[in-house]
Amino acid sequence: AQSVTQPDIHITVSEGASLELRCNYSYGATPYLFWYVQSPGQGLQLLLKYFSGDTLVQGIKGFEAEFKRSQSSFNLRKPSVHWSDAAEYFCAVGVDHGGSQGNLIFGKGTKLSVKP
Amino acid sequence: NAGVTQTPKFQVLKTGQSMTLQCAQDMNHNSMYWYRQDPGMGLRLIYYSASEGTTDKGEVPNGYNVSRLNKREFSLRLESAAPSQTSVYFCASSREGARTEAFFGQGTRLTVV
Repeated sequence: AQSVTQPDIHITVSEGASLELRCNYSYGATPYLFWYVQSPGQGLQLLLKYFSGDTLVQGIKGFEAEFKRSQSSFNLRKPSVHWSDAAEYFCAVGVDHGGSQGNLIFGKGTKLSVKP
Repeated sequence: NAGVTQTPKFQVLKTGQSMTLQCAQDMNHNSMYWYRQDPGMGLRLIYYSASEGTTDKGEVPNGYNVSRLNKREFSLRLESAAPSQTSVYFCASSREGARTEAFFGQGTRLTVV
């Protein structure tokens, strides 16, 4: 079955430090991969997406993600975190014929806290 | 540039009451979705509509009904609210298929007492 795993429920980093959020997926076909961010009290906003081509993709707000097929991973990175990056981050995989899971399967999210 | 609009933003219901959550999108998207978000559970799909005129059950459809009123609007109805339906509800839309990103509304925070 298709699934997305985000191993870290909560991460705290210091402002200015680098960040990596992990995401692993299980899907038999070519994955379409997404990262979304949810600020407190808000809906989800797309950070970046990967469909094909260059495995390193750039997104908004200085984020990037790298697709590694051999590891079934799509980790999100940022070189220097800002206090405004504190939010919850969701990895998702787009699938065809997802059945009751729909076309977009989400991980459970990683909450990022930023220390001053 | 409204995107996906949900109403209401907040609602408190008593057990057994009914209500309808409204959702409208102005992006001419074919697919629309209703999710619920609970702490530690991520987003769970309640119902979705791949195109106008079709609806399908998601992972957690029990206690809910939906109506795809037209291409723009997709409503979620709770016929007899239960405390277990206390949650934040999100509507989303996408052009169609696995390759297209979803756009989300701001959410409805529902409390059932």
